[in-house]
Amino acid sequence: QSALTQPASVSGSPGQSITISCTGTNSDSDVGGYNYVSWYQQHPGKAPKLMIYDVSNRPSGVSNRFSGSTSGNTASLTISGLQAEDEADYYCSSYTSSSLLYVFGTGTKVTVL
Amino acid sequence: QVQLQESGPGLVKPSQTLSLTCTVSGGSISSGGYYWSWIRQHPGKGLEWIGYIYYSGSTYHNPSLKSRLSISLDTSKNQFSLKLSSVTAADTAVYYCARTHCPSTSCLLGRVDAFDIWGQGTMVTVSS
Repeated sequence: QSALTQPASVSGSPGQSITISCTGTNSDSDVGGYNYVSWYQQHPGKAPKLMIYDVSNRPSGVSNRFSGSTSGNTASLTISGLQAEDEADYYCSSYTSSSLLYVFGTGTKVTVL
Repeated sequence: QVQLQESGPGLVKPSQTLSLTCTVSGGSISSGGYYWSWIRQHPGKGLEWIGYIYYSGSTYHNPSLKSRLSISLDTSKNQFSLKLSSVTAADTAVYYCARTHCPSTSCLLGRVDAFDIWGQGTMVTVSS
């Protein structure tokens, strides 16, 4: 069981919307099989911060500019109205029924142009 | 407000045991609905799930580390701990502890859905 697959980098201009994909394995063992996908934002030198849980739910205090969804075996995080403070690394994650039990994505660096 | 804080040596010699403790404040680790997790991040790399423990003592480990790994709870101190034996340079990483939510129908199955509160992380270097 390897990591979930994310694009290495995504960029956008302030005010634009960007979407980060997260592709699971080719079975229903993770992203496609459970609604336990979550997304984390990590600024350099800081701990990750939960941004989305259970595919599309936002924790209290997280901006509604962040939204999540899934389609088949791929989860997506959309950031609308991109702001300079959104520049960070983003990781998806999911429970998996494989022996690994829990898996993170490879990570995506978001750059605000 | 629940907060987590990792503590432990920042330098460990090869072949020795890495030991870290996570102290939880503002909430009890004995309450249901949450597992207590360890996650690490190698320098410049992504996140790797290490394992988690429930207040009942049930533990789940990353199979790649299982033979070297021990996670335990000390409810009297509201702490949980990580021990990783026979370390090598490949274990050099920032280690995070995190509170981990589990849906009520899935807690006893070890299924979790999000790491909702993280410690600040502690850098551990394995070197002689």
